[in-house]
Amino acid sequence: KNEVEQSPQNLTAQEGEFITINCSYSVGISALHWLQQHPGGGIVSLFMLSSGKKKHGRLIATINIQEKHSSLHITASHPRDSAVYICAVRLQGGSEKLVFGKGTKLTVNP
Amino acid sequence: DGGITQSPKYLFRKEGQNVTLSCEQNLNHDAMYWYRQDPGQGLRLIYYSQIVNDFQKGDIAEGYSVSREKKESFPLTVTSAQKNPTAFYLCASSIRWGRDYRETQYFGPGTRLLVL
Repeated sequence: KNEVEQSPQNLTAQEGEFITINCSYSVGISALHWLQQHPGGGIVSLFMLSSGKKKHGRLIATINIQEKHSSLHITASHPRDSAVYICAVRLQGGSEKLVFGKGTKLTVNP
Repeated sequence: DGGITQSPKYLFRKEGQNVTLSCEQNLNHDAMYWYRQDPGQGLRLIYYSQIVNDFQKGDIAEGYSVSREKKESFPLTVTSAQKNPTAFYLCASSIRWGRDYRETQYFGPGTRLLVL
């Protein structure tokens, strides 16, 4: 079993829909990252969370440390949001190493 | 503009050939990383470097080698010993290796390696 599990694996939505992508992990962590990978391959960091909730524009990320679960929400989705969204966790103990989920491929149709 | 550059964007390797992927950063970051991405899998760490002239093996280092002679540069060589090199390779950097969990890794655009 992977230490970081994402669901769903693939997600197709219509423009304007509210999107939720989930990430569950089975290890102790010091932080969780949400990353966005566009079709060209480059990766951009969206959020780093250690507790609570963060918001940036139409993106919202939440984390529940007790339940070892995080969600990434996209409000009023747009075709330009189409990308692979990756959850990654930094393990407890001061390690710089990240453990990555397999990603969720989001397609938003106009 | 500060950032990470990787070259080439596409690279072709013949059987038995060593190839080197370039990674350069002008962010003044101490730590640099190489990841491999395969379809349907999460990124996996190949090598990382905390500081110049020092580097450590990641989870899948076999068949790869690196050097860190300059702070800005962390090239990855895919040797002939790597039997399944076809993948997307991503380089990343972060300010420093340390216990500050708030630090973010910045990624380059990637190099796609294909075997002929």
